[in-house]
Amino acid sequence: GAVVSQHPSRVICKSGTSVKIECRSLDFQATTMFWYRQFPKQSLMLMATSNEGSKATYEQGVEKDKFLINHASLTLSTLTVTSAHPEDSSFYICSAPTSRAPDTQYFGPGTRLTVL
Amino acid sequence: GESVGLHLPTLSVQEGDNSIINCAYSNSASDYFIWYKQESGKGPQFIIDIRSNMDKRQGQRVTVLLNKTVKHLSLQIAATQPGDSAVYFCAENKDTGGFKTIFGAGTRLFVKA
Repeated sequence: GAVVSQHPSRVICKSGTSVKIECRSLDFQATTMFWYRQFPKQSLMLMATSNEGSKATYEQGVEKDKFLINHASLTLSTLTVTSAHPEDSSFYICSAPTSRAPDTQYFGPGTRLTVL
Repeated sequence: GESVGLHLPTLSVQEGDNSIINCAYSNSASDYFIWYKQESGKGPQFIIDIRSNMDKRQGQRVTVLLNKTVKHLSLQIAATQPGDSAVYFCAENKDTGGFKTIFGAGTRLFVKA
């Protein structure tokens, strides 16, 4: 149980385009999901908290107009990187806690974004 | 976003030996700590957790030790195997009116056959 999926696993796009990444909880409902970014050989940095039915909460220094988050259902959160640039190239990972283990995060497999 | 440290220290051990991975956490008010394992190109996997009212917890081949006095966490892996090669992160849950999980710098473990 507690499986989180992400789609796509890899995406390559041109500079200036927008990319949408989906995060799904497959066998549980998640009112809250988290989005992280990870650069090579570095740790995971929390970008934002996605809240079902309300606005996302962004960490300091993360541009909310650049990284649009939509949590439209209890099993799906999306992260859209708008007007992507090469410096946005990174590994994006989502996570969600379950109601029976609210302190524990279950992570998706990640999405590798490369902006040319 | 928050993160502790930007470099990945490396630990190299011989197969069969025990590994000890250390972590310093930042917030004395954190009450829940987790160790995650991340293999290349994948998301983190839960290994073991510990609450602040404990100082030791054991799992299968893994033990987590918590020293709240010096804000230090360690992960011990017994009889390390090649499949244990990965990056290991400690993480702490911060309650900010809704908790969030903040990751430490990570340690890369190499297991030599």
